[in-house]
Amino acid sequence: DTGVSQNPRHKITKRGQNVTFRCDPISEHNRLYWYRQTLGQGPEFLTYFQNEAQLEKSRLLSDRFSAERPKGSFSTLEIQRTEQGDSAMYLCASSLIGAGQGLTYEQYFGPGTRLTVT
Amino acid sequence: AQTVTQSQPEMSVQEAETVTLSCTYDTSESDYYLFWYKQPPSRQMILVIRQEAYKQQNATENRFSVNFQKAAKSFSLKISDSQLGDAAMYFCAYGIIQGAQKLVFGQGTRLTINP
Repeated sequence: DTGVSQNPRHKITKRGQNVTFRCDPISEHNRLYWYRQTLGQGPEFLTYFQNEAQLEKSRLLSDRFSAERPKGSFSTLEIQRTEQGDSAMYLCASSLIGAGQGLTYEQYFGPGTRLTVT
Repeated sequence: AQTVTQSQPEMSVQEAETVTLSCTYDTSESDYYLFWYKQPPSRQMILVIRQEAYKQQNATENRFSVNFQKAAKSFSLKISDSQLGDAAMYFCAYGIIQGAQKLVFGQGTRLTINP
């Protein structure tokens, strides 16, 4: 168990550029979550996947944002035409949900990708 | 909508002493979990302690314990024998048991440990 990993850890981009982040969850985890954390605030839910299906998206996720989780493994979060308001820490978390897995509901977080839009 | 409120932006405590961080939440759900997460500077968030709403007994994990008052919708974290490594941002979070189980976080409390 190597934990949740995210790449890159830091990304600086110019306004209007596209960026893509990657999250590798704990290998046996079937749920994957994306959160956004701005300075001085707690994380806010963006979207989540169960296996490869994206089941819910927050209203925070504008049309410029798209997330995928092909084959139910790693996930990518893409932001098109970045704006300065997109500057934040993007956190990924994973969990294991299902019969016989125990009712812990614990989400394991990655270190995050800090995005700065200049 | 569910909300979580942490009214203490910053707290400080002397090493080896006890500190309590406050959290209140609002929900109409009956089945849910409450969590305290710790986020050290530039490091990832880790779970400190978890409380199931249907359990009356307060959760305890070593030096960490909670005071869960369901009727008052209050969920405070007590850290005993504070250590320098406890310095971090602490987030209170709420999650319903059904559906997405997404977490709703409070604004966080920055805890400083004075040697």
